[in-house]
Parts: sequence; C-alpha cells; structure tokens
Amino acid sequence: EVELSESGGGLVQPGGSLRLSCATSEFTFSRYTMIWVRQAPGKGLQWVSAISPSGIDTYYADSVAGRFTISRNNSESTVYLQLNTLRADDTAVYYCARPRDTVTMEGLEYWGQGTLVTVSS
Amino acid sequence: DIQMTQSPSSLSASVGDRVTITCQASQAISNYLNWYQQKPGKAPKLLIYDASNLETGVPSRFSGSGSKTHFTFIISNLQPEDIATYYCQQYDNLPLTFGGGTKVEIK
Repeated sequence: EVELSESGGGLVQPGGSLRLSCATSEFTFSRYTMIWVRQAPGKGLQWVSAISPSGIDTYYADSVAGRFTISRNNSESTVYLQLNTLRADDTAVYYCARPRDTVTMEGLEYWGQGTLVTVSS
Repeated sequence: DIQMTQSPSSLSASVGDRVTITCQASQAISNYLNWYQQKPGKAPKLLIYDASNLETGVPSRFSGSGSKTHFTFIISNLQPEDIATYYCQQYDNLPLTFGGGTKVEIK
C-alpha cells in the first residue's frame, strides 16, 4: 500500500527555519512529481510547491518563493521542504501529496497525515 | 493565477437529500478539475478527477460534471458519513489552486 509520512514540524520563532521530510513507500518514487500543500488553522488548502520526478524542475507559490526550497532524494524515496525566514502566516499543517499520474498533476491521490508548523514567539 | 470560486461555503441538508456544490474557474481549464473530501483532522481524500471520473473505491453517490469554467459536484443521497468539507482544485496551470471549500452538515 502506498504510504506518505511527513515529519519535521514544530514550534519555531519568526525568522527561523525548519526542514520537513516526507518519506514514501510502495511506489516508484522517481516517476512522480511530488507536491506540498498546506492548511492554516481553520482555513482552506493552499498549494505550496512541486518538484519534478528528476528533481531538476521546482515550482513555488508566490507567497513562499525565495524562502522555501523543495528537494528530493530518489534513492531514499523522500521529498523535503526547507522552510526559511518563517513568518506567522506560515503556520499551518503541511501535507505532501502524490498525483495519480506520472505525467500530469491529475488528482492528488495519496496524502500524508500532515505535520504542523507553528511560527510564534 | 486561476481563481476557483466555490459555492456555497456551507450547507445543511437531511440524510437522503441531493446536495449540489458548484465551482467556477476564472478562466477555462478544460476538464482539469478535481474534487476532494476532508474530514476534521484528516488529510484530503480525492473523490473525483478530471471533472467527472470517480476515484477507485469512492461510492457512486458522488459525481462530478462540467468543463471549461463551470463545474458541479453532487452527492445524490447524503449519508451521515459524508459530513465533511469539500474542495475543488484545478490543475490546468501552476499554481495549483483550490476553491474555498464547502462545509456540509446534517440538518
């Protein structure tokens, strides 16, 4: 069964950094674009970032571009999200997700359980 | 960015009712539209992809339709376990964007 599991969240002060990890199993990780989505407390879903199967191409929401960095290790089937210069409005549950399709981002079929990032002094 | 306008933001219906949620895109997105269900404290669950395709294992009371800018999601026979928030999401262009969500409650 496909599994995704995020870790690395926690409480951090404004301006601080965190590195989120999403460990995956039971699928050919290197064939899929991987995606991070976040959800602020009581709010809706917001796409954060995506990375191509090879890791060469990366994409970011305007609100995190220049502060967050997505990367992946295909030999370890893990995707990462480095969060720098954190702000209070980055407080959210961060989910990693995998599309149904290896070519497009059709349908985010698999999701992790999420990891909570709280930015507060 | 493509804006996804979802309505209503909340609704209350009785068990057995037909529930309709709409999602309007700010520009044409062909059929590149997904629908998700999210229960409190849980990750979203994909229900419908490509506007009208039912994800494997999802009950047939859920359905979707539409293309270009106007999309509809229907629960044909509302069940107590369908209490959740539902989101549409386009993947025609980055950034991926979600509708604001529709919270479905039992009357």
